[in-house]
Parts: sequence; C-alpha cells; structure tokens
Amino acid sequence: DTEVTQTPKHLVMGMTNKKSLKCEQHMGHRAMYWYKQKAKKPPELMFVYSYEKLSINESVPSRFSPECPNSSLLNLHLHALQPEDSALYLCASSQAPLGTAYGYTFGSGTRLTVV
Amino acid sequence: DQQVKQNSPSLSVQEGRISILNCDYTNSMFDYFLWYKKYPAEGPTFLISISSIKDKNEDGRFTVFLNKSAKHLSLHIVPSQPGDSAVYFCAAENRDDKIIFGKGTRLHILP
Repeated sequence: DTEVTQTPKHLVMGMTNKKSLKCEQHMGHRAMYWYKQKAKKPPELMFVYSYEKLSINESVPSRFSPECPNSSLLNLHLHALQPEDSALYLCASSQAPLGTAYGYTFGSGTRLTVV
Repeated sequence: DQQVKQNSPSLSVQEGRISILNCDYTNSMFDYFLWYKKYPAEGPTFLISISSIKDKNEDGRFTVFLNKSAKHLSLHIVPSQPGDSAVYFCAAENRDDKIIFGKGTRLHILP
C-alpha cells in the first residue's frame, strides 16, 4: 500500500457544525502533515506530527484541532469554522521527519466548503 | 516573505520538446529541493528531489539542476508529453521539518 487515503472527499458544513477529516497511511511513515490549499495557491502547512506527537503548529486557529491516535491515522477536527476556511485540505506523510530526499506522499484531499 | 519563488505562472511547450521550469529560493539553509506535480482534484505527487550538496539529479525524462551560488534550480522534462500538462510546484525543505512550496507553474503541453 503506497497511498495516503483521505475521507471524506467532499464536505459541506455549517458554521456551527462539528466535523472531522480523516487521513490514513500504511507505509510505516512516522511523520504526518496537514496542509491547506486555497485555489491557485501553494499548499500551506498547518500541522506536523512526528512519531505521533505534535511537533509543529503553524499558528493555526483553535477551531482546527489535530489528533494522531496512532502511527497510521491522522484526524483534523473542525468546529465553528468560517466561510474563509473553505479550501482543499491535504494530508501527507513521509518516511522520516527530517531530511527526507523522497518527499511527501500526499492524499487526494478533502474539499471543504463552509456555508 | 516568499522563500521559494516560481516567477512563471504558466508555460506552454510543444509536445516532444524540452520543458524547463524554474525556481529561485532565498534561504541558503535548505537541505533538499523537491518538485511536485499536481493534477486538478488530486494531491501533489512527488517527482524528483535534489540534495543541497549535489548539482544535478536525473530520473528518466526528469532532470533537476541546482545552482547554489545563484540560489536557483530548474526542472527539465525531455521529451515533453501530453500527460505532463499539470501544475508543477517547486519546494524546499529546511531542518525544521517544513517543506515550503512555491506558487506553482502551470505547464501546457501543446500537440
């Protein structure tokens, strides 16, 4: 299995809803990442988990709450989002947290629309 | 403050010719440079990387050149094929475990 699987592929939620994005990989990668990508912009890093511990939080608002239950799973819990949070949310993983020459493996993303 | 810059938003190349995508960076502490390809509605796909201690890396039709003194790298695709039409992101990795992406260049391969 050489993929990063993200569910759901599409999500529409109201500003008062609570929802979660899920990400799964079975490649034995020990670093996992959440990125946010707005249209025609590069992916922007949100969080990094290294060996199941949060190692980087790029000053993301608390309405986004990451969780790493085990080495294969990464969740992003969403609560009280704003319409400007609508974007493509990408999960990625890499073999090791530092100095990887092999890049990240990205999932296909969850297209989130906040109404 | 854009640390990784792709100054060409788009590029059109005839099928069979060479595509050259350029990227400039400002931080001399980057360890690795990477190129990703992205189709619509899909996540970026890793293409090729180069360590900061090398000046060239080749993988099939893809070659990345690094000029550290100019803080410049380029991706050469030869020969260009229709399936190469996509957005290409240049990215750089630093020791803080972050990959920083450029804004991307949309490559159109013309028949």
